[in-house]
Amino acid sequence: SQQGEEDPQALSIQEGENATMNCSYKTSINNLQWYRQNSGRGLVHLILIRSNEREKHSGRLRVTLDTSKKSSSLLITASRAADTASYFCATDFLSGTYKYIFGTGTRLKVLA
Amino acid sequence: EPEVTQTPSHQVTQMGQEVILRCVPISNHLYFYWYRQILGQKVEFLVSFYNNEISEKSEIFDDQFSVERPDGSNFTLKIRSTKLEDSAMYFCASSWRPTYEQYFGPGTRLTVT
Repeated sequence: SQQGEEDPQALSIQEGENATMNCSYKTSINNLQWYRQNSGRGLVHLILIRSNEREKHSGRLRVTLDTSKKSSSLLITASRAADTASYFCATDFLSGTYKYIFGTGTRLKVLA
Repeated sequence: EPEVTQTPSHQVTQMGQEVILRCVPISNHLYFYWYRQILGQKVEFLVSFYNNEISEKSEIFDDQFSVERPDGSNFTLKIRSTKLEDSAMYFCASSWRPTYEQYFGPGTRLTVT
């Protein structure tokens, strides 16, 4: 079964606007991580949120987690052209596995 | 800031050849991982490694794949007999504990011709 699925698949906004990306998952988790990937490049870790946390902030990033709905959201405030990238959520499994399952990602384009 | 490094950045090989992809994890991390991303597809877990043993592996990680930590710093992924479908970006990652952040390297783009 698919664990992490992002929504929307693609998002285009103007510089200065906020961008919200959502992630849904099917099975219970310990942790959820958000990553950024610039085209053809590596994965940059953004935030890890644990199942007992509801919200975390890092700079212009805000992540929420709703375990009852099995969903998370990533909000980027005051977006910049440099935020243009793909954003992925990755979830582990409550059973204590070592692996993370990645979603299909949201392609964000910030227009200057 | 410590980071995961990977070499080479791009490897081209012929089908049937062996390749070794190299990674240097963050120095105080204890858990190591390999993932791959076929062009345009999801990042997929291959294997996790702790205390010189494989902790977990996916169904993709069949007998043609192996991992090794040959010394105190390197972590390698070997593909014994490459196939066309092995063409992908291979990412190494490391974490201090399995429930902590996984930090990824920049990836090795493997092209099998």
